[in-house]
Amino acid sequence: DIQLTQSPSSLSASVGDRVTITCRASQNIADFLNWYQQKRGKAPELLIFGTSTLQSGVPSRFSGSGSGTDFTLTISNLQPEDFATYFCQQGYSTHLTFGGGTTVEI
Amino acid sequence: EVQLVESGGGLVQPGGSLRLSCAASGFSVSGSYMAWVRQTPGKGLEWLALIYSGGNTDHPDSVKGRFTISRQDSKNTLYLQMSSLTEEDTAVYYCARGNPFGPSSLGMDVWGQGAAVIVSS
Repeated sequence: DIQLTQSPSSLSASVGDRVTITCRASQNIADFLNWYQQKRGKAPELLIFGTSTLQSGVPSRFSGSGSGTDFTLTISNLQPEDFATYFCQQGYSTHLTFGGGTTVEI
Repeated sequence: EVQLVESGGGLVQPGGSLRLSCAASGFSVSGSYMAWVRQTPGKGLEWLALIYSGGNTDHPDSVKGRFTISRQDSKNTLYLQMSSLTEEDTAVYYCARGNPFGPSSLGMDVWGQGAAVIVSS
């Protein structure tokens, strides 16, 4: 199975900061990479699909980039509602896998 | 409103079986791929099953032979049949809809609220 390694596992940031989360795949996954946000006690929500396409309703301060094995989720101008855990997920293989998550804390 | 509502979770003894249900509204479960994913504090998010619109299914080796995904189109409901459960299967189980706007990346755009399964004697 394709392994996804996220870094960092957690980070502290302030409102207004620019935050970058990295997801590295164990093999080339082209652009078949999705990002989710999960708040405590809730189900994950799709933020970005296909590496860089924002899901409907997601604020434009979220952006995704990358290809092959290295991907990035960037949150510019961090807002209070953005404090959550973020996961990447690959869809290159039908045996889906997720990254370990990155918790963004105040 | 597009929604998924899970049911069937609870406490089960080791070696037991359980069937989770996921009732869909606002869309057809046969119109896209559907998935089951579980989450534990220790192992994070783990994909368990996929069923495609054509009915083909897939499971990871870790649960193949123990877990089976299915759907009943007349009830617009997805199922996960689980057997030979162990304490390691204790988790929150989610059903999810395949993203119809970007199906090639196999993302999931609608998730259920989660069903807690506790395997314990």
